[in-house]
Amino acid sequence: EDQVTQSPEALRLQEGESSSLNCSYTVSGLRGLFWYRQDPGKGPEFLFTLYSAGEEKEKERLKATLTKKESFLHITAPKPEDSATYLCAVPIPSGGSYIPTFGRGTSLIVHP
Amino acid sequence: DAGITQSPRYKITETGRQVTLMCHQTWSHSYMFWYRQDLGHGLRLIYYSAAADITDKGEVPDGYVVSRSKTENFPLTLESATRSQTSVYFCASSEAGIPNYGYTFGSGTRLTVV
Repeated sequence: EDQVTQSPEALRLQEGESSSLNCSYTVSGLRGLFWYRQDPGKGPEFLFTLYSAGEEKEKERLKATLTKKESFLHITAPKPEDSATYLCAVPIPSGGSYIPTFGRGTSLIVHP
Repeated sequence: DAGITQSPRYKITETGRQVTLMCHQTWSHSYMFWYRQDLGHGLRLIYYSAAADITDKGEVPDGYVVSRSKTENFPLTLESATRSQTSVYFCASSEAGIPNYGYTFGSGTRLTVV
């Protein structure tokens, strides 16, 4: 069964303390992997799309990488404003369409 | 305004009542999706639509009905609301099944069934 699993569920960091979030997937023929940021009371906000193993994307303090089995979201020298829930999603084939299936997310808190 | 708009933002309804959540997008995106988000479950797909007049079930469709007579609108109806349908509902859209710039989400509707 196709699945998307994120770890850890929650992560607390001190400002400046770099770390990584994990998104592992079990889907045949990956067609893309998406990272999102979600702030409390808001809808998910798109960050990155990754298509193939070895691909990397960067945005400010965030860098997303992709292997054949998982993706990492690296956060370098985080700031309190990076506190949010980070979601990953994988399109799963269904009835001729692709359905975005989300992991449960990692809740990140960065303390000043 | 360009974008994807959900209404209402908050809704309280009684058990057994019918309620409709609205979703409107201005990009003429082909794909539209309805998710519910609950603690411990994350985002779960209720229904999706690949084009006007084409809809299909997601992971948790029971108790919900959708329609899509126009490309820009994708309303979600709870036929007889139950307390288990208390949740935050998100609508999303995309120009393709695998969009280069991801799926765009609305701000959500927080529904409470009492």
